[in-house]
Amino acid sequence: DAKTTQPPSMDCAEGRAANLPCNHSTISGNEYVYWYRQIHSQGPQYIIHGLKNNETNEMASLIITEDRKSSTLILPHATLRDTAVYYCIVSLGGGNTPLVFGKGTRLSVIA
Amino acid sequence: EPEVTQTPSHQVTQMGQEVILRCVPISNHLYFYWYRQILGQKVEFLVSFYNNEISEKSEIFDDQFSVERPDGSNFTLKIRSTKLEDSAMYFCASSEGLAAGSYEQYFGPGTRLTVT
Repeated sequence: DAKTTQPPSMDCAEGRAANLPCNHSTISGNEYVYWYRQIHSQGPQYIIHGLKNNETNEMASLIITEDRKSSTLILPHATLRDTAVYYCIVSLGGGNTPLVFGKGTRLSVIA
Repeated sequence: EPEVTQTPSHQVTQMGQEVILRCVPISNHLYFYWYRQILGQKVEFLVSFYNNEISEKSEIFDDQFSVERPDGSNFTLKIRSTKLEDSAMYFCASSEGLAAGSYEQYFGPGTRLTVT
């Protein structure tokens, strides 16, 4: 079972920042936090991952709390194309480690 | 930008028939995976493959399933005798796995398998 808890759905106005929360209170010290998204029935798309520090790339920012029990994915300027199901996944990150997907958060970006 | 490709995009087969789903992972990646998603349900892990052998598999991946890397580029999933409940989207993924922190998985667009 997934080790994360996410709200089932969220709305965001186009052009505003989308902040997607994730709780992972049982995360262990060597587990990473990964974020993926799935647009309609397409393959999941990797967004970002982190271990302890906050991370930023061209798609998003990841803020991990100091105790690592929760994190927030930030899409700084959401567009309609960001409408998708967003998955927060805790994983050891090893090559043999499967990703365990939960139900994710369905983000709707509204014009 | 390199990407994972899958063929066919849609496969329709009759119950009991064998199907082979094909994937071309990203060229310098070392780890390969198959996942499936039944309509309206979660994405589920099937199998991971490294160094020409299965490294992990789930309970779903029973004797009806097999994987193969027949050459340097393709990675295939075979279902020997399809059942109605095998109808799903099947996603292939790959990861680089060369250094710590490089295990993010990149997914293909999927093959929709319909068993009638």
